[in-house]
Amino acid sequence: AQSVTQLGSHVSVSEGALVLLRCNYSSSVPPYLFWYVQYPNQGLQLLLKYTTGATLVKGINGFEAEFKKSETSFHLTKPSAHMSDAAEYFCAVTNINAGGTSYGKLTFGQGTILTVHP
Amino acid sequence: NAGVMQNPRHLVRRRGQEARLRCSPMKGHSHVYWYRQLPEEGLKFMVYLQKENIIDESGMPKERFSAEFPKEGPSILRIQQVVRGDSAAYFCASSPRAASLYGYTFGSGTRLTVV
Repeated sequence: AQSVTQLGSHVSVSEGALVLLRCNYSSSVPPYLFWYVQYPNQGLQLLLKYTTGATLVKGINGFEAEFKKSETSFHLTKPSAHMSDAAEYFCAVTNINAGGTSYGKLTFGQGTILTVHP
Repeated sequence: NAGVMQNPRHLVRRRGQEARLRCSPMKGHSHVYWYRQLPEEGLKFMVYLQKENIIDESGMPKERFSAEFPKEGPSILRIQQVVRGDSAAYFCASSPRAASLYGYTFGSGTRLTVV
């Protein structure tokens, strides 16, 4: 079974400060990892994903995340927060099944609400 | 290029009524996934369908919930005899193939309120 833990249900930063949202996963096989953002009353938008290859993944809106297998982590960062980054962020994981392909059932973390204050 | 369309956006039902939630995937997408987001929680997988087939319904409650994705038309998530605990946001996502390689496209959700 796979699981995702997001440390901190609420994170508050000042505009211009570093954003760090933590995600740890549990998976018995190589994971595919995702970060999604959800603005109020909207659906989820994909920020970035890791499947294979380079462990530092760059996404939209200046976000990036690094896959660290030894730490089972996939933390999301952004060097300088903007007011428009205020939203809820979800980390998610899926696995490759025994056949070598995955039909993509995602397991989500509980979410982290990011607040950006002036 | 329309995205994943869900309707209605908001749905209010009285206890005991039926709720029907619709999801039209992106053009060319034949894989549909339904997720439920309860208040203060993350999204939980419910069911995965391909055209005319249920592939994985391991996240669906055993009673009152059903899903379909017919050859023609949208995918439907049906909740019979709704109870207050069914109040949640229901999201649909679609993908052209094995989603983990390509990522999903999510709809804006249907927010169900049971009164």
